Amino acid sequence: QVDLVQSGGEVAKPGASVKVSCKASGYTFTSFFLNWVRQAPGQGLEWVGWINPNSGSTQFGQKFQGRVTLTRDTAINTVYMEVTSLTSDDTAVYFCAREINGGGFDFWGQGTQVTVSS
Amino acid sequence: QAVLTQPPSASGTPGQTISISCSGTSSTVGSNYVYWYQQLPGTAPKVVIHRNNQRPSGVPDRFSGSKSGTSAALAISGLRSEDAADYYCATWDGNRWVFGGGTKVTVL
Repeated sequence: QVDLVQSGGEVAKPGASVKVSCKASGYTFTSFFLNWVRQAPGQGLEWVGWINPNSGSTQFGQKFQGRVTLTRDTAINTVYMEVTSLTSDDTAVYFCAREINGGGFDFWGQGTQVTVSS
Repeated sequence: QAVLTQPPSASGTPGQTISISCSGTSSTVGSNYVYWYQQLPGTAPKVVIHRNNQRPSGVPDRFSGSKSGTSAALAISGLRSEDAADYYCATWDGNRWVFGGGTKVTVL
């Protein structure tokens, strides 16, 4: 069965960076884009970006361009999201989600809490 | 400020039918498929409608989706207590995925 397992919560200081992982299993890793979506406390969903695990190509929401890096390791079916220059506005739960061919997200990770605090 | 517009809340009694609207533009809802996600408290979202009106396997047929022009809607018929959740619409605008602000459904 398809499963996306994310790394544990992170606490970071303003200006620092965090790196969150998402390990996929139960399907061919290189066949589906993986997206990152975040949710600030009490707020709605916001798309961060996606990575094509096959080619490594990426695309980001405008506000994340230049501050977020998505990478993958096909040997261990894992994608990584690194966010730099953190501010308190980055405090959120970050989800990875598999994008099905034709669009939409059919499987989601459990979420990773990132807290930015001095 | 979410790109797609949803009402912040909707409510109904058990057995009733409620509808949640999702308004966009010609370049968002008007040109692309709309997806609906249900989020129970403290959990990851789950897709309940994809490609405007398609129900994934395992989603009850009480959930239905529709789209007309630049607006879409999610209807829940035979409302049940377990339907209490936040619901988000989403679509691709050619460059990015965009979401509605979410609608909190309360079962009275």
